[in-house]
Amino acid sequence: EDQVTQSPEALRLQEGESSSLNCSYTVSGLRGLFWYRQDPGKGPEFLFTLYSAGEEKEKERLKATLTKKESFLHITAPKPEDSATYLCAVHPSGSARQLTFGSGTQLTVLP
Amino acid sequence: EAGVTQSPTHLIKTRGQQATLRCSPISGHTSVYWYQQALGLGLQFLLWYDEGEERNRGNFPPRFSGRQFPNYSSELNVNALELEDSALYLCASSLHRATEAFFGQGTRLTVV
Repeated sequence: EDQVTQSPEALRLQEGESSSLNCSYTVSGLRGLFWYRQDPGKGPEFLFTLYSAGEEKEKERLKATLTKKESFLHITAPKPEDSATYLCAVHPSGSARQLTFGSGTQLTVLP
Repeated sequence: EAGVTQSPTHLIKTRGQQATLRCSPISGHTSVYWYQQALGLGLQFLLWYDEGEERNRGNFPPRFSGRQFPNYSSELNVNALELEDSALYLCASSLHRATEAFFGQGTRLTVV
């Protein structure tokens, strides 16, 4: 069974304090790994897709990396507006194409 | 370009009633996915429609059903509502053979 585990569940950072969020996954075959940002009461906002180990993607203060067993979302010099829940999802190989989501990391950046 | 749109934004129903939620995908997208996000829980997969047909469903009872129309919009129907059905219902769309899915803002369903 496909599994996605995110850690930590919650993270509080001071503005400018860099850190990383972890996403560990177990799938029979990986078509893609996705990172989303979700603000309270809103739908997830697409951030990145990673397809193969060693791949990296960057967007502003965010950088996502992928290995064969996990992905990291690095946040460099975060700002209060980066506060949100960050969701990781995997798209397994095979005919069933729905995403399997982790439970998310709730990030709070304090000014 | 318009994103995924969902309606209504909020819906309040009484236990035992039926709810209908609607989703319009991004133009050109033929796949629609429905997810349930109960308070404090992760996104749980409900249904996947592609080119008008149901392709897969998650571990939900049959009273959760839906359909996709020829214009690729979709609706989710929940019959015999229970209090536990209160959640944010999210719709996402993707291109036919793409893996990237884009979400709407959701419908907040409250069952009283």
